[in-house]
Amino acid sequence: NAGVTQTPKFQVLKTGQSMTLQCAQDMNHEYMSWYRQDPGMGLRLIHYSVGAGITDQGEVPNGYNVSRSTTEDFPLRLLSAAPSQTSVYFCASSRNREHQPQHFGDGTRLSIL
Amino acid sequence: RKEVEQDPGPFNVPEGATVAFNCTYSNSASQSFFWYRQDCRKEPKLLMSVYSSGNEDGRFTAQLNRASQYISLLIRDSKLSDSATYLCVVTGNQFYFGTGTSLTVIP
Repeated sequence: NAGVTQTPKFQVLKTGQSMTLQCAQDMNHEYMSWYRQDPGMGLRLIHYSVGAGITDQGEVPNGYNVSRSTTEDFPLRLLSAAPSQTSVYFCASSRNREHQPQHFGDGTRLSIL
Repeated sequence: RKEVEQDPGPFNVPEGATVAFNCTYSNSASQSFFWYRQDCRKEPKLLMSVYSSGNEDGRFTAQLNRASQYISLLIRDSKLSDSATYLCVVTGNQFYFGTGTSLTVIP
């Protein structure tokens, strides 16, 4: 059972480049979410999804797009990378948001030069 | 007002000590509550769920007080391996994370 898989684990981009962070889960979870965590800071919610075809913004959505075409996958797109987006990105999933805990991927460490 | 407030610490305690963390939440309709543990530069991992009647898992005890809207985590007989950041989580429309409480257990 792989759980939540994030790729890549590390990435360096130049300002203005775009890229997609991949997230996949094999637990048939309905709820998926993306967080960023800056050094010494807490988790901040970027976008979340309560099921295939449904997405919503979190606390810090600007500069990021998401889509949820399948239950398994929830990619995060950086449209035009900026140094302020240098962070660790975590994807998480849960059977539902009301009663079940989230399970996290092991993160993508992203540096924007 | 933040959905979840948590004392950031840091808490520095000797091995064998008992330490308690508290977390307050603002939405009285919140349904589920969890404690997570996060090691440096790693992903958060579920430590335990928090049930209305309180629950225990080995050296860890979690309590929920709905009337005062806070949850707590008690760690007994602290081990060096307990050193980490502890995050409280409250559910609503989404998962609301506290900023975390840093614990260092000193030999």
